Amino acid sequence: EPEVTQTPSHQVTQMGQEVILRCVPISNHLYFYWYRQILGQKVEFLVSFYNNEISEKSEIFDDQFSVERPDGSNFTLKIRSTKLEDSAMYFCASGPTGRPYEQYFGPGTRLTVT
Amino acid sequence: QKEVEQDPGPLSVPEGAIVSLNCTYSNSAFQYFMWYRQYSRKGPELLMYTYSSGNKEDGRFTAQVDKSSKYISLFIRDSQPSDSATYLCAIHNNAGNMLTFGGGTRLMVKP
Repeated sequence: EPEVTQTPSHQVTQMGQEVILRCVPISNHLYFYWYRQILGQKVEFLVSFYNNEISEKSEIFDDQFSVERPDGSNFTLKIRSTKLEDSAMYFCASGPTGRPYEQYFGPGTRLTVT
Repeated sequence: QKEVEQDPGPLSVPEGAIVSLNCTYSNSAFQYFMWYRQYSRKGPELLMYTYSSGNKEDGRFTAQVDKSSKYISLFIRDSQPSDSATYLCAIHNNAGNMLTFGGGTRLMVKP
């Protein structure tokens, strides 16, 4: 069964450093998403991406964040200058055409900012 | 008022019991209602979803939506220890792409 994959599984970085989280969505999906989950809190929407552009973003997704689909298979989330409060699990999700509500999540990348 | 609320639990039941998990929501524009299962330190796994009101059954799982009460439920029949996880409801507003999640209910099924 196809699944979303994410790398790395755990990333430790120092405050102020840039990080790139990588995702390979399910191959025939065209909607892509990033969510995050701070330990003990709700899963929160960050951004959705469709047709090579951002289709929706939350207040969390400020100028420090960017997304890119550099080729036909990868989808990345970049955090330019990490803060302590960026420490969280980051989940990539993808969804099939015409069904944006049907979102399949990857295993997540645990980001620890020290 | 929070958009989507769930009792955090934990809910502890014996193996074989019928489990009822619930969410309430505030925005009547929501149209798709999802249930995810999340094991510790893993990604949410989509179990099933319903559109608008009514019931949907998939094996041991039944999802139910009551839009008049803004109340959604997930029933698990013949619960198994492997069902032990956190169950998240998530709701989609057809006007956008995002899912709004509840905080999750932790379920423990004891053998």
